[in-house]
Amino acid sequence: EVQLVESGGGVVQTGGSRRLSCEASEFTFGNYWMTWVRQAPGKGLEWVASIKEDGSEQKYVGSVRGRFTISRDNAKNSLYLQMDSLRAEDTGVYYCARVKAAAHMDYWGQGALVTVSS
Amino acid sequence: SYELTQPPSVSVSPGQTARITCSGDEFPTKLAYWYQQKSGQAPVLVIYEDYKRPSGIPERFSASTSGTMATLTVSGAQVDDEADYYCYSTKSGGNEGVFGGGTKLTVL
Repeated sequence: EVQLVESGGGVVQTGGSRRLSCEASEFTFGNYWMTWVRQAPGKGLEWVASIKEDGSEQKYVGSVRGRFTISRDNAKNSLYLQMDSLRAEDTGVYYCARVKAAAHMDYWGQGALVTVSS
Repeated sequence: SYELTQPPSVSVSPGQTARITCSGDEFPTKLAYWYQQKSGQAPVLVIYEDYKRPSGIPERFSASTSGTMATLTVSGAQVDDEADYYCYSTKSGGNEGVFGGGTKLTVL
């Protein structure tokens, strides 16, 4: 069964940085686009960023472009999200997910909570 | 910017049919996907490519699109189906997308 396990969540000060990791297993990681989706407390889901199979292309939602960087290491079956210049509105649970058919997310991790506080 | 609009809530009695709508201007050319999220859990894909059901998803979950509207139908809704449901679609070029605001389904 496909597994995705996020780590790196925690409390960070406004303006600070945090790096999330997602370790994948039970599938050929390098064959799939991967994505990050977040959910603010009590709010809906928001697509954040995606990265191509070989890491050569990245896409971001406008509110994080220039502050967040998605990357991957296929040798380590790992996905990353470097978050800089964090704001209170970046608080939430961050899920990593596998992208199927260049379109939708078919498997999700359990999420990592990031709290941005002053 | 591309937006998907869902009603905030839908309520039905057990055994009734629940219908959750999702309005999006690009649905005639873009595919719709549906996710179920139970409290405290990660989302689960229940419908992909407008109407297809992943393995393991009960047959009572179905979906369709017509014009600018996508609809998720839960036939014979059960208490266990209580959850937030989100529609999703991709932006031009794929691999980036947008979620609807979510609909809380109450079965009681």
